[in-house]
Amino acid sequence: DGGITQSPKYLFRKEGQNVTLSCEQNLNHDAMYWYRQDPGQGLRLIYYSQIVNDFQKGDIAEGYSVSREKKESFPLTVTSAQKNPTAFYLCASSRKGQGDSNQPQHFGDGTRLSIL
Amino acid sequence: SQKIEQNSEALNIQEGKTATLTCNYTNYSPAYLQWYRQDPGRGPVFLLLIRENEKEKRKERLKVTFDTTLKQSLFHITASQPADSATYLCARANQAGTALIFGKGTTLSVSS
Repeated sequence: DGGITQSPKYLFRKEGQNVTLSCEQNLNHDAMYWYRQDPGQGLRLIYYSQIVNDFQKGDIAEGYSVSREKKESFPLTVTSAQKNPTAFYLCASSRKGQGDSNQPQHFGDGTRLSIL
Repeated sequence: SQKIEQNSEALNIQEGKTATLTCNYTNYSPAYLQWYRQDPGRGPVFLLLIRENEKEKRKERLKVTFDTTLKQSLFHITASQPADSATYLCARANQAGTALIFGKGTTLSVSS
């Protein structure tokens, strides 16, 4: 079955530590996205990538970094510079069509990050 | 900047009734609006996409409308069931058309 897999499901970070969230898709989608979701808030875009080896900052990129070395993979690193990292992180992918706005996004089931 | 707002945080209805959720947008009219369902602890799941010129779209018990005059989309679930209880998100494209902007969602609770 095609899909998008995020791991781990739960992650704990110590002060001053960088952590990396994994996102893998086998849908052959060109575009991939990272969102952060806080209680009572909508999904906020962190980074997105429309093609391998290229990515753009979203609305809340500070304290985060990404890479896109393979089409299937788009890992997100939460750095120690992100002072409030506790949140639910969602990865998504989509086809790259005539403008991405008309392509539905497929989401993973998220990683919940907490601070120790 | 483009904004998308779902004014009701929560909606409670009885089984069998029609649920109507509202999504309002600002600035220019997007070419498309998308609706998603999210269950607790899960990622959103795509439900429907409606184009600007479609006015109305249906899928089984779901109906979505797009009113460019009111700058509004309505999402209806007819003959609602307890299994329809979830958070529903609407989304529009950003100005570059490269990513989606999501509303905060409306949490629907259907009681039996």
